[in-house]
Amino acid sequence: NAGVTQTPKFQVLKTGQSMTLQCAQDMNHEYMSWYRQDPGMGLRLIHYSVGAGITDQGEVPNGYNVSRSTTEDFPLRLLSAAPSQTSVYFCASSPRGAVSTEAFFGQGTRLTVV
Amino acid sequence: KQEVTQIPAALSVPEGENLVLNCSFTDSAIYNLQWFRQDPGKGLTSLLLIQSSQREQTSGRLNASLDKSSGRSTLYIAASQPGDSATYLCASNTGNQFYFGTGTSLTVIP
Repeated sequence: NAGVTQTPKFQVLKTGQSMTLQCAQDMNHEYMSWYRQDPGMGLRLIHYSVGAGITDQGEVPNGYNVSRSTTEDFPLRLLSAAPSQTSVYFCASSPRGAVSTEAFFGQGTRLTVV
Repeated sequence: KQEVTQIPAALSVPEGENLVLNCSFTDSAIYNLQWFRQDPGKGLTSLLLIQSSQREQTSGRLNASLDKSSGRSTLYIAASQPGDSATYLCASNTGNQFYFGTGTSLTVIP
């Protein structure tokens, strides 16, 4: 089972560039989310989706866009990369929403903005 | 906003010791609490999930407890092994979001 797959694993961007981090899950989970992990701050929620066509903002959404056209995919777009977006990004999914079920995480994308 | 704190930030123990990792949270209105393990440069691996109606969960040498009223959870690791060395994260679920602590970095010395 592939679980939650993130690509790429590593990326270096120049300030102002845009890019899309990919996330795919093969478990037919309704709920998907994106977190960023920074030293000393723990993981923080960027955006989440409770199903295809439905997205909402988390704690730190500025500078990021998401869409959910299929159950399987939940891409995260950086519109104009800034050094403050240097971080490790994790995608997660849960079967029926985050409320009462276990979350499964991808292996992460390490992004550096120079 | 939910605040999650993990103490200690780092812990070093000799192999074979039993140990306890602590997690506290400010908002007791949680749906569940989940403990994760993170190895360097890797993703998060789920260890235990405790629903808000439960007091504890066990998996092998791991036992997690939950006291919602006091806003505390503990992860007990029995007979620690060098392979247990990793960062352990707790996360409280208050709806459509997990709030994470900053983790406890555990080193088990052979």
